[in-house]
Amino acid sequence: AQSVTQLGSHVSVSEGALVLLRCNYSSSVPPYLFWYVQYPNQGLQLLLKYTTGATLVKGINGFEAEFKKSETSFHLTKPSAHMSDAAEYFCAVSGGNQGGKLIFGQGTELSVKP
Amino acid sequence: GAVVSQHPSWVICKSGTSVKIECRSLDFQATTMFWYRQFPKQSLMLMATSNEGSKATYEQGVEKDKFLINHASLTLSTLTVTSAHPEDSSFYICSASQSGSGANVLTFGAGSRLTVL
Repeated sequence: AQSVTQLGSHVSVSEGALVLLRCNYSSSVPPYLFWYVQYPNQGLQLLLKYTTGATLVKGINGFEAEFKKSETSFHLTKPSAHMSDAAEYFCAVSGGNQGGKLIFGQGTELSVKP
Repeated sequence: GAVVSQHPSWVICKSGTSVKIECRSLDFQATTMFWYRQFPKQSLMLMATSNEGSKATYEQGVEKDKFLINHASLTLSTLTVTSAHPEDSSFYICSASQSGSGANVLTFGAGSRLTVL
């Protein structure tokens, strides 16, 4: 079984500041980990994913995340926030043999102040 | 790239009526599709896994007679909310897994917002 916990339902940063969105997971099998972004009244867009291999993964729009097995974490970062980054972010986990069944975290709303 | 289309994108219906939402993979075959439900300001909750040519697998607590899922072809899955009530109002999102792939190839639709009056 898998589960995801996102720490902080709402994060606010200033434009140009570091973005850090926290995600911890639980999985009984080697996990596949994902970060998605959702804009209001829209579906989900994949930012990045970790399946196997390099633990630091780079995604779109300057985001990256590092898989840390010892900490069961997959935190999302971006060095410099942009106003357009304001959105809802979801961390998700899947067991590698789950055929695409994703379990989502509660979501973190990112606000970017000018 | 892979595209999943949902239709309608929004629908308003009267209490007691049934509503059908379509999820289509436009440029790939999807053996498996997933249906999620999202309440305002909340996360996505997996409702069911839809497999082409077989019965859907529902998550615990999801009424299969309430939420009918049909996956008749490799490019189309439908979710029918039967006898809808205001508490069924929600944002429904589907995702599709390309045939032969795992979770690393998953495409989401744009969602369908259902409002039941």
